[in-house]
Amino acid sequence: AQSVTQLGSHVSVSEGALVLLRCNYSSSVPPYLFWYVQYPNQGLQLLLKYTTGATLVKGINGFEAEFKKSETSFHLTKPSAHMSDAAEYFCAVRAGGTSYGKLTFGQGTILTVHP
Amino acid sequence: NAGVTQTPKFQVLKTGQSMTLQCAQDMNHEYMSWYRQDPGMGLRLIHYSVGAGITDQGEVPNGYNVSRSTTEDFPLRLLSAAPSQTSVYFCASTRTSGSVEQYFGPGTRLTVT
Repeated sequence: AQSVTQLGSHVSVSEGALVLLRCNYSSSVPPYLFWYVQYPNQGLQLLLKYTTGATLVKGINGFEAEFKKSETSFHLTKPSAHMSDAAEYFCAVRAGGTSYGKLTFGQGTILTVHP
Repeated sequence: NAGVTQTPKFQVLKTGQSMTLQCAQDMNHEYMSWYRQDPGMGLRLIHYSVGAGITDQGEVPNGYNVSRSTTEDFPLRLLSAAPSQTSVYFCASTRTSGSVEQYFGPGTRLTVT
């Protein structure tokens, strides 16, 4: 079974500051890891994903995440926050192999960006 | 491509009523899933399907039924709505080769009074 813990339900940063959203997972098999973003009253949009290979993955809108197997972490970062980054962010995991439609989500982190 | 579409966008039901949430995708994806989103709990898997005629339960299946008669459509049925089913419901789809991410619909906001 898989599980995801997002540390901090709310994160607040100033515009231009570093964004760091934390995600730890547990999985009994090599995981596939995802970060999704949700803007108010909208669906989920994929930011980035890790499947295999390079552990530092780059996504859209300047975000990146690093898969650290030893720490079971997949933290999301962005060097400089923009007002448009304000949204809710979800980390998700699924087992590799054939578990295509079975994502396990964290509880979400709401990012607030101050001018 | 329209991607994943869901209808209706909003719905209010009274306790005990039944209804069907519609989901369709035009990407020829084999896998389709239903999630519910509740504040502070992220998204939780209700039911999923690996192809036409094949469905299985997720984490929170009670009170919901699904069927998959075609590749494109995956409706979610609430048999007897309860206030605990007030939530935002998302449908998603993915293929079983190549790109592994799920594509989400815009959601249906359901209120049960």
